[in-house]
Amino acid sequence: GAGVSQSPSNKVTEKGKDVELRCDPISGHTALYWYRQSLGQGLEFLIYFQGNSAPDKSGLPSDRFSAERTGGSVSTLTIQRTQQEDSAVYLCASSLNGWGRVTDTQYFGPGTRLTVL
Amino acid sequence: KNEVEQSPQNLTAQEGEFITINCSYSVGISALHWLQQHPGGGIVSLFMLSSGKKKHGRLIATINIQEKHSSLHITASHPRDSAVYICAVSPNSGNTPLVFGKGTRLSVIA
Repeated sequence: GAGVSQSPSNKVTEKGKDVELRCDPISGHTALYWYRQSLGQGLEFLIYFQGNSAPDKSGLPSDRFSAERTGGSVSTLTIQRTQQEDSAVYLCASSLNGWGRVTDTQYFGPGTRLTVL
Repeated sequence: KNEVEQSPQNLTAQEGEFITINCSYSVGISALHWLQQHPGGGIVSLFMLSSGKKKHGRLIATINIQEKHSSLHITASHPRDSAVYICAVSPNSGNTPLVFGKGTRLSVIA
C-alpha cells in the first residue's frame, strides 16, 4: 500500500516568508509525528498527533512553528517568518497506535528539504 | 550528555566485513528502535526491541536492558548497506517522544 508522502520534496524560501509543509500519513494510522533533521544533527521531535487528542507540541522550537491535522489524516506544518536556522529536512512519520505503554513502528515519509536564504 | 549515544560516528568497512554499531542510553525505556537512513533521506525502521535479540536477514539487533546498551550487527556487509544507522529509544515515562542518537554513518567499500 501507499506509504507516508510529503510535499514539497524541496522548498527554497527567503528569510521572513511563511512556508507550509504537507504530510499524508498511511491510511488508518492514528498517530502522526513531525521531526526535524538539521545538517549534522540527529532527528529532533517537533509535534505529535494522536487521534482526536490534543497534540503534544513540546518539541516546537518557537511560536513561529505550528501544525494542524485535519480530519485525523493530512497534516500541515507551518513555519512563519522563516529564519536561516530553520533550514533542515522536515520529516513526517505515522504509526498505527502511537506512544504509550505499547510502542509501535513509525513509518517515515521522504522528508521536505527546506532552505531559507 | 545526550540521553542516547552511538558509536562509532563514522565507519568505513570493506565488503564482506562483519560490522557492529553500538548504542548506549541513560533513561529507562519501553523499547529501542534501530532505523536506517539512506542517502536521499528516506528512513526505514529496521527493528524495535525491548529484550533479547532480533534477526532479519543479515541484520541482527541485540539489547541488554540491565546495561542500557544495544548493538546492531551486519554480517557479510555489502555496499548497499551504506547508510546512516540511527538508534532511538521510547522512554519509560509513558506518552513521550522518541529520543534519537545522532546516527552512525556507514560506508561499505567494494
